[in-house]
Amino acid sequence: DAGITQSPRHKVTETGTPVTLRCHQTENHRYMYWYRQDPGHGLRLIHYSYGVKDTDKGEVSDGYSVSRSKTEDFLLTLESATSSQTSVYFCAIRGADSGNTIYFGEGSWLTVV
Amino acid sequence: GQNIDQPTEMTATEGAIVQINCTYQTSGFNGLFWYQQHAGEAPTFLSYNVLDGLEEKGRFSSFLSRSKGYSYLLLKELQMKDSASYLCAVRDSSGGSYIPTFGRGTSLIVHP
Repeated sequence: DAGITQSPRHKVTETGTPVTLRCHQTENHRYMYWYRQDPGHGLRLIHYSYGVKDTDKGEVSDGYSVSRSKTEDFLLTLESATSSQTSVYFCAIRGADSGNTIYFGEGSWLTVV
Repeated sequence: GQNIDQPTEMTATEGAIVQINCTYQTSGFNGLFWYQQHAGEAPTFLSYNVLDGLEEKGRFSSFLSRSKGYSYLLLKELQMKDSASYLCAVRDSSGGSYIPTFGRGTSLIVHP
């Protein structure tokens, strides 16, 4: 258990509305990540953070923004949700083990109608 | 970036052995990971290889050949609960981000 919680776990929202997903960790990890997972595409990196207020884009960052104002929280915002953003979103941290393994939160299922 | 290839689906019989292959191309290899993901759940870490050879962990083993860009996950004494998707991920040090890229996963179906 890497001490990661995501909220909300499930959400249905309408096209054009803003949505924020929260990732909270309790073990002071420096690196945090947001992935989305879709059939046929696997896990794809949206944004990541390497410290408070330090973030960078991943492979599929268009339409998403992130913020990290404190170590424990990494927020993912969809400014104006579209149906193509219907997906399951996983937050992850980089562990301190020998492999610096990525550990995932439970996931947030988002449906945009 | 990396090009990671693994079979889409495999089936096997309870009690048998199955090998799931992963091939990759990367300019700055820095480690390979295997994850298990049950339907509707998050991926969970299984194994990590950074040097050539076999790493064994109970019923699961993972092998790496860096020169061939090849890894496999070996599952022995298959159980019904092993039905899941298995994800291969490769970390690349070029570009400085050290973030793993994931393959599309192999869906393993174990039948009685």
